[in-house]
Amino acid sequence: EVQLVESGGGLVQPGGSLRLSCAVSGFTFSDHYMDWVRQAPGTGLEWVGRSRNKANGFSTEYAASVKGRFTISRDDSKNSLYLQMNSLKSEDTAVYYCARADNSGYSEYWGQGTLVTVSS
Amino acid sequence: DIQMTQSPSTVSASVGDRVTITCWASQSVNTWLAWHQQKPGKAPKLLIYKASNLENGVPSRFSGSGSGTEFTLTISSLQPDDFATYYCQHYTNYPITFGQGTRLEIK
Repeated sequence: EVQLVESGGGLVQPGGSLRLSCAVSGFTFSDHYMDWVRQAPGTGLEWVGRSRNKANGFSTEYAASVKGRFTISRDDSKNSLYLQMNSLKSEDTAVYYCARADNSGYSEYWGQGTLVTVSS
Repeated sequence: DIQMTQSPSTVSASVGDRVTITCWASQSVNTWLAWHQQKPGKAPKLLIYKASNLENGVPSRFSGSGSGTEFTLTISSLQPDDFATYYCQHYTNYPITFGQGTRLEIK
C-alpha cells in the first residue's frame, strides 16, 4: 500500500526557515516523480514543485512563487522527500502536501498534509 | 503559464442527479488533464487521469472527457459520498496548475 506521511510543519516567523519531510512506503521511491502541493486556508490547490525520478537525475522544477526560496531534495536511503523553505512570507501559510506523481505528470497519491503558519 | 478555469464554482444538486463540471485551459493541454476530489480537512484523491481514464477503485459513475482546451467531469448519479470539491489539473508542461475548484453541495 502506497503511504506518504508529511511532518515538520509549524509556526515560523516571516523571514524564517522550515524543512518539511515526507516519508514514503509501499513503492520504489527512486522510480517515481514526487511533488509538493500546497493549499492556503480556504483556497484551492497550488503546485509548488517537483523532483523527477532517478532515471531523470532527480532534477527539479519549481513554481515561480517559490523559486529561489524553496528547495526540494530527497534521500532514497531513507525513502524521504524534503522541502527546505527559506525567506518565508505570510503568503506561504498553507497545508503542504507531498504527492507521488505518475511519470507522465499527474499527481497520483497524496499524503495527509502538514500545516505551515508564517506569522509574527 | 497555462490557466485552468472551472465552471461552475459551486453547484447544488440532489442524490441521484447527473452533474457535469467543466474545465477550460488557456491553451491546449492535449489530454494531459487529471481530476481530483477533495473533502473538507482531507487530502485530495485522484479520480481521472489523461482526461478520460478512471483511476483504479473509482466508481464508474465518474467519467471524464475532452481534449485540447475543454474538459468535463460527469457524475452520472450523485451519491451522498460525492459531495466534495473537485479540481482539474493540467500536466502538459511546467508549471503544473490546478483549476480554482468546484464545490458540489447538497440541494
